Amino acid sequence: QSVLTQPASVSGSPGQSITISCNGTSSDVGAYDFVSWYQHHPGKAPKLMIFDVNNRPSGVSNRFSGSKSYNSASLTISGLQAEDEADYYCTSYTGSDILYVFGTGTKVTVL
Amino acid sequence: QVHLVQSGAEVKKPGASVKVSCKASGYSFTTHGIAWVRQAPGQGLEWMGWISGYNSNRKYGKKFQGRVTMTTDTPTSTAYLELRSLRSDDTAVYYCAREDCSRTSCSWFDPWGQGTLVIVSS
Repeated sequence: QSVLTQPASVSGSPGQSITISCNGTSSDVGAYDFVSWYQHHPGKAPKLMIFDVNNRPSGVSNRFSGSKSYNSASLTISGLQAEDEADYYCTSYTGSDILYVFGTGTKVTVL
Repeated sequence: QVHLVQSGAEVKKPGASVKVSCKASGYSFTTHGIAWVRQAPGQGLEWMGWISGYNSNRKYGKKFQGRVTMTTDTPTSTAYLELRSLRSDDTAVYYCAREDCSRTSCSWFDPWGQGTLVIVSS
């Protein structure tokens, strides 16, 4: 089944901003404003960071923001902190029998 | 507070089946679907499928069709994932997650269960 393409790794120094891309197609990311992002620390449950492209759940820092342009979505982390070091995954609704597709995942390293 | 609590780790032989449970609390089970996602060692998150908490309508990932069955038990607010004909590459942590909703759509997953490690080894 198809997956969304993310960079394998992104790094930044504390205080900097980084952006993670999530490239899909006109059948998933481009077709619906139903992109969500998850933070995953090894050994823990994934945590929702952004839903419906650019909405932040209560309790998630406003340093996290999302956007979308055509078939590509992005997650930006501003004011990078050591605790942000984790794996990040995007997901999109597809409207097909598969329903959802995940991104390949991006490892964020805080230098 | 919404919680999903999964069953404990399993060790299975190739060819066997495994059934993982996911008990929900803190919300009305029938108003949300449950998704199942897995992560093999060193790999990313992989979509397995979804089941409605309302009418047990199911959608399975193509890779798992024919080998997976997702069910729910409404009285106990529990969802189940059964995977058959296990292979070594089914070794993974299996997660359940509640499909959450706005007023107009259901399109993200929150919260997630703690994960269930399934090891397939002879």
